Order: sequence, then C-alpha cells, then structure tokens
Amino acid sequence: GQNIDQPTEMTATEGAIVQINCTYQTSGFNGLFWYQQHAGEAPTFLSYNVLDGLEEKGRFSSFLSRSKGYSYLLLKELQMKDSASYLCAVSDSNYQLIWGAGTKLIIKP
Amino acid sequence: GAVVSQHPSRVICKSGTSVKIECRSLDFQATTMFWYRQFPKQSLMLMATSNEGSKATYEQGVEKDKFLINHASLTLSTLTVTSAHPEDSSFYICSARGVGQGETEAFFGQGTRLTVV
Repeated sequence: GQNIDQPTEMTATEGAIVQINCTYQTSGFNGLFWYQQHAGEAPTFLSYNVLDGLEEKGRFSSFLSRSKGYSYLLLKELQMKDSASYLCAVSDSNYQLIWGAGTKLIIKP
Repeated sequence: GAVVSQHPSRVICKSGTSVKIECRSLDFQATTMFWYRQFPKQSLMLMATSNEGSKATYEQGVEKDKFLINHASLTLSTLTVTSAHPEDSSFYICSARGVGQGETEAFFGQGTRLTVV
C-alpha cells in the first residue's frame, strides 16, 4: 500500500530552527510537495522536490532523498506566524497526490 | 500561481437539505478537479476525482449518490451534498489541475466550512 509518515506534532521556539521529516512508500514517484495549512484554511504551497538534494526558498528549505524515500522541511528563524500544520504529499505514478496526516508545529515565544 | 476560487466559504444548512459548493479555475483550464474533505485535526481525505466531461471517480467509502459531482466545463466543478446530516459537517476543499500540470503544485480553493444543524 501507499504510505506517508510524518510526526503528529512538534514544538519549537521563536527564532530557532526546526526540521519536519517525511518518509514515504508509494507506487511510483513524480515529486514530493510540502504545504502549509493554518487552521480553518486551505493548504498553501511551500515547495516541490523531484530530484535529490536541497531546495532553498527564503527561510524554508526542503530536502529529498529518493533512494531513502525521505524528505524534510527545514524552517529557519521561526516566527509565531509559522505555527501551522505542515503537510507532506507525494505524487505517485498516476500523478495522484498521496497526503501525509500533517505535522502540527507549535511555536513558543 | 494559478487561482482557484471556491464558493461559498461558509454555509450552515438544516438537516435534510442539499448544499452546492462551486469550484472555479479563474486563469487556466482545469481538466481535472479533486474534492477533499477534512475533519478537525486530520489530513485531507480525497473524496473524488473529476475529469471534465466525464463521470467522477469516487474513493472507496464515499457515497456517489450523496456527494454529487459535476464537472461540466473546463473551469467549473460543483459538489452537491444531498440530504445533508450533521455528520456531513466538515471542511470541503477543491483543487484543480490543468493540462500538463501533473508535475506541478495542486492549486487549492479557499475551502468551504459546512455546518449541518
């Protein structure tokens, strides 16, 4: 079966760095997405990785290792507004998105 | 990025009535649209996939006669929750994908908070 695993909840301090991991097992792979979702709102796109390596975009970076079925989202210089759920999603061989359950990130002052 | 508009953003209806939710792609032709529901503190659950001009493909456990999906044009898909009950109260989100966009991000509507009383 297809499976996406990510931690349920993480806590970090304002100004610090946090890494959210995602492991996956899917039928085929056409890229991995990270989305941010604030409570009561639709997800917003953060990043897309299809090749191995690190993609940096401002305070956010995303890493992919296809051989390990592993990705992480790295958030630097954390701000209170970064408190949200972070969803990992993999595009399978049919380009269907398989969603992880999301990681709720709590930022403390 | 592309814009997907979903309407209404919030709706309260009485038990037994039907509610229609619209999802429009504003600046691209959405050949495929996805309908999700999300319960509090849970991830997105795919309900159905609809391709323009054909019948929707429903995920296992989703009642197609209860959740009617119409994708009559390349810019509009609708989800109708028929004979709604309180357990149908949820956050419904659509996303759209155009031709050749399978490898890119999914474009989401704003979501619809449905409350059935």
